[in-house]
Amino acid sequence: EVQLLESGGGVVQPGGSLRLSCAASGFTFSSYAMSWVRQAPGKGLEWVSAISGSSDTTHYAVSVKGRFTISRDNSKNTLFLQLNSLRAEDTAIYYCAYGLSTLEYWGQGTLVTVSS
Amino acid sequence: DIQMTQSPSSLSASVGDRVTITCQASQDISIYLNWYHQKPGKAPKLLIYDASNLEAGVPSRFSVGGSGTDFTLTISSLQPEDIGTYYCQHYHHLPYTFGQGTKLEIK
Repeated sequence: EVQLLESGGGVVQPGGSLRLSCAASGFTFSSYAMSWVRQAPGKGLEWVSAISGSSDTTHYAVSVKGRFTISRDNSKNTLFLQLNSLRAEDTAIYYCAYGLSTLEYWGQGTLVTVSS
Repeated sequence: DIQMTQSPSSLSASVGDRVTITCQASQDISIYLNWYHQKPGKAPKLLIYDASNLEAGVPSRFSVGGSGTDFTLTISSLQPEDIGTYYCQHYHHLPYTFGQGTKLEIK
């Protein structure tokens, strides 16, 4: 059974940083691309970033490019998202998801709140 | 970026009703479209992939159609467990944008 468990969310001031983690199990992690999708409170879904299984390719939404960094540790079956220079509009639930074009499995999400 | 527009934005229907949600892409995306269902307070779940393939376990009351720019998701007989928000998502090229969502409620 595929399981994705995000952690690392919290309250941070504008301009601050956070590192989100997603622990994966139930599949051969290194073989699959992984993605991050976020959802602002009461709003729709926004694709944020994706990474190939071998980490050789990464992709970012324009809204986060240059501020967020996606990475993975295949030895620990863990996906990361480093969030820097955070803004109020980055406040959202951040979901990790299995896949790139089709997001077949999703974690339960971790809430990031950017507020002074 | 490709814009995805869903209609209606919200919908209230009775159990047993036939319900249709549409999704329009701002340019031709062939069949590169997925549908997701998000129940209140939960993570989204994949419902349909490649425009017409039901994910394992999805009831047969769900049907889909379309290609190019216009797509539909139909529930033939609405059930209480179908409530929530439905999102379409294209994957023609990055960024893989989502529609704004259609919130489905039971009357």
